[in-house]
Amino acid sequence: IVMTQSPATLSVSPGERATLSCRASQSVATKLAWYQLKPGQAPRLLIYDASTRATGVPARFSGSGSGTEFTLTINSLQSEDFAVYYCQQYSEWPPREGTFGQGTKLEIK
Amino acid sequence: EVQLVESGGVVVQPGGSLRLSCAASGFTFGDYTMHWVRQRPGKSLEWVSLFSWDGVTTFYADSVKGRFTISRDNGKNSLFLQMNSLRPEDTALYYCGSEREQYFNYWGQGTLVTVSS
Repeated sequence: IVMTQSPATLSVSPGERATLSCRASQSVATKLAWYQLKPGQAPRLLIYDASTRATGVPARFSGSGSGTEFTLTINSLQSEDFAVYYCQQYSEWPPREGTFGQGTKLEIK
Repeated sequence: EVQLVESGGVVVQPGGSLRLSCAASGFTFGDYTMHWVRQRPGKSLEWVSLFSWDGVTTFYADSVKGRFTISRDNGKNSLFLQMNSLRPEDTALYYCGSEREQYFNYWGQGTLVTVSS
């Protein structure tokens, strides 16, 4: 299964909404997670099972989709939200090298 | 508080060996399948290896199979990655992560491995 994220870079102003996409080459049902990566920090699980927020994740983060098309939406962008976001499918187990998408860099406009 | 702390990353010559460690705290380590995931410079995350919670099963990415060996010591809440026959393309930030229902619920901050002459 190949995971494709778009766009590669997204420029959005603080306070606005960001919409990130992740597409699977075949159905992964809802076995899809989203992670946030910031330089020098541990990656952070945001969403699992396509739409369930992880513990402590603010409500402005939401995930949707099933099958092959998924979306991570971040409402009212805060300064701390500018980071790189990766999707991961876990329909296949054990994982493979390509279990993650290529990432979307969310930058300040 | 859950913590995963990786260590052992250094600069090593091609063909060399290295052992990475991951110290876990704040959760029952022995109940979790643990993974190594890496990020090469400018690239995406790449799964490397896993060691099942029950101590029975290990898996490796094709790119490291036969060169890397994963192990764990549940008594010391630690995960390890023995890396042999290192190649320049193994240069990466190596993360350890815990698995919950096949996604990664906790990660460390990573340890940098540089393979260069």
